[in-house]
Amino acid sequence: KQEVTQIPAALSVPEGENLVLNCSFTDSAIYNLQWFRQDPGKGLTSLLLIQSSQREQTSGRLNASLDKSSGRSTLYIAASQPGDSATYLCAVRFRKGFNKFYFGSGTKLNVKP
Amino acid sequence: AAGVIQSPRHLIKEKRETATLKCYPIPRHDTVYWYQQGPGQDPQFLISFYEKMQSDKGSIPDRFSAQQFSDYHSELNMSSLELGDSALYFCASSFGEDSYNEQFFGPGTRLTVL
Repeated sequence: KQEVTQIPAALSVPEGENLVLNCSFTDSAIYNLQWFRQDPGKGLTSLLLIQSSQREQTSGRLNASLDKSSGRSTLYIAASQPGDSATYLCAVRFRKGFNKFYFGSGTKLNVKP
Repeated sequence: AAGVIQSPRHLIKEKRETATLKCYPIPRHDTVYWYQQGPGQDPQFLISFYEKMQSDKGSIPDRFSAQQFSDYHSELNMSSLELGDSALYFCASSFGEDSYNEQFFGPGTRLTVL
């Protein structure tokens, strides 16, 4: 069964801190993995897409890594800011799952000024 | 750049009514996906279409139906609405069925069933 798990469910850090969000998935046979940001009651903002052949992707203060063999991905946020406060969702496209995304439950991040 | 358009953005219905949600993919995108996100839950896949044909089906209730039209826009029809149908409904689009192609998500339609 294809499942995606995110730990921790919630995280509160002081402004300026570097932090890591974790995502694990049950089947290493994936097409790609995508990290999203969701503000309360809002839509999904795509942050980074990592293809199965890639090890990491970077965009500004964000860096996402992928380790297929261990079924893990991490989202690293450098120098966190209050504006980073949101829920971060990890989504995986499994080879056995055809084309659809399987989402994790998200990590709710609060960056305190 | 053009994005995925969903309409309406907000919809309020009574129980047992019907609702139609619309999705307009990015130009030249021929694949559409529908997801449902209940309150405090993660998005769940409902159904997808490629070149106007249903390509995959998830946990979509029998009360729901969907189709993709010749201009590639898609509509999700929901009948006999229940309180539990209250959710944020996302549409995503991509070019082709290649699973390596990125899916681009729309802003969502928030459906409230009273």
